[in-house]
Parts: sequence; structure tokens; C-alpha cells
Amino acid sequence: NAGVTQTPKFQVLKTGQSMTLQCAQDMNHNSMYWYRQDPGMGLRLIYYSASEGTTDKGEVPNGYNVSRLNKREFSLRLESAAPSQTSVYFCASSEAIVVDFGQGTRLTVV
Amino acid sequence: GQQLNQSPQSMFIQEGEDVSMNCTSSSIFNTWLWYKQDPGEGPVLLIALYKAGELTSNGRLTAQFGITRKDSFLNISASIPSDVGIYFCACVSGGGTYKYIFGTGTRLKVLA
Repeated sequence: NAGVTQTPKFQVLKTGQSMTLQCAQDMNHNSMYWYRQDPGMGLRLIYYSASEGTTDKGEVPNGYNVSRLNKREFSLRLESAAPSQTSVYFCASSEAIVVDFGQGTRLTVV
Repeated sequence: GQQLNQSPQSMFIQEGEDVSMNCTSSSIFNTWLWYKQDPGEGPVLLIALYKAGELTSNGRLTAQFGITRKDSFLNISASIPSDVGIYFCACVSGGGTYKYIFGTGTRLKVLA
């Protein structure tokens, strides 16, 4: 039981490049989330998926897209990376009240 | 939007000391959660509080759900070096989907 698995763990992009962050959970959770964490800002919700087949914007969705590929997988895509998207990204999943997090992806956009 | 304010933002303490931190909101919430984030890792749940006034312990950690449902406190007794990390409070915003709101965190550093 691996919980929530994110890949990659680290990534450096040039401005304008695109990439997809992958996330998978093996806990059969319905809800999945993408957060970004910046110093002094806590965790801010980018997008979430309440259940398979649905996605909704969170607090800071601009510049991102998501895909809920199936119940297990929820990917986050940056179409044209910007330096402001330098951050640590966390995928999470939940079934009831408690949310479980992945280990994070540290993304740097230069 | 809804915000959770945590204090203090950071603290240095000596090993063996007790630690207190709190989280406040201008809105009422029905569930409060406390998470800890170790360096380079994702947050991990410490304690969940479901009822106003509830006091819950997990080892050296004790958390309380404020009676007004607008605040919560986390206490750590007899701190040890592995307590270092960032502590986040979180609430569920409700509305049928589990949208969580996180505080800005309290960074704890323990001096041996």
C-alpha cells in the first residue's frame, strides 16, 4: 500500500516549456487534489476532483489544467511554464474527512 | 476567501520544553485537522477534531477544538528534536465536497 505517489520528485523547466505532473493513489479514494506550497503561503488548492469524471477549480487554477484519468490517477499539466509557477506541488486524496498527501514535486522554472 | 491564521509563524524552543500553537478563523468550521510536515515530505495527519470543545491526545500531542468553532490549539509536551517541522491546521469547507483550507503553518525548530 504505497498511498499517494507523485512523479517526478524534482523538475527544472525553462520558461514556456510544458510538463505533466503525475499522481496515483492506491487507497480507492474518490476525491483527489493538487496543491502548491510557497513560503509563507501555506497550501493553496489548484484543482480538485470530487470523483472520477469531475474536476473543479480551486483557489489558484490559472496556468494549470488537470485530468482525472481514472479513479486512481489525477494529473496536473503546465502548458507554458512561468517562473511564478516555481513551487512545491502536492497531490492528495481523501475518502472521508482525512486527506492523505504525496511526497511532493519540487518544480523550478527558470 | 476563507482564511486560517496560525500563530506563531515560527518558534525556536529548547528540547524538553512544551510548545503551544493556535489557529483561528473568522468562519465557523465543523472539523479541524492538524498536520505535520517534515522537511522534504508531504504533510501527515496528527489529530482530527470533530466536535466543538473536544480535547484529543495523540502521544505527546494534545489538540482542542474551540467551543466557538472558530479556533483550535495544538500543544506538544516535552519536545524532542524530531518534532522539528511545519505544523498546519486545516478545516473542511464543506458543501458536499471535501475542500480543505490550510493555515499558513507554524515552523518549529527544536534546539538540543
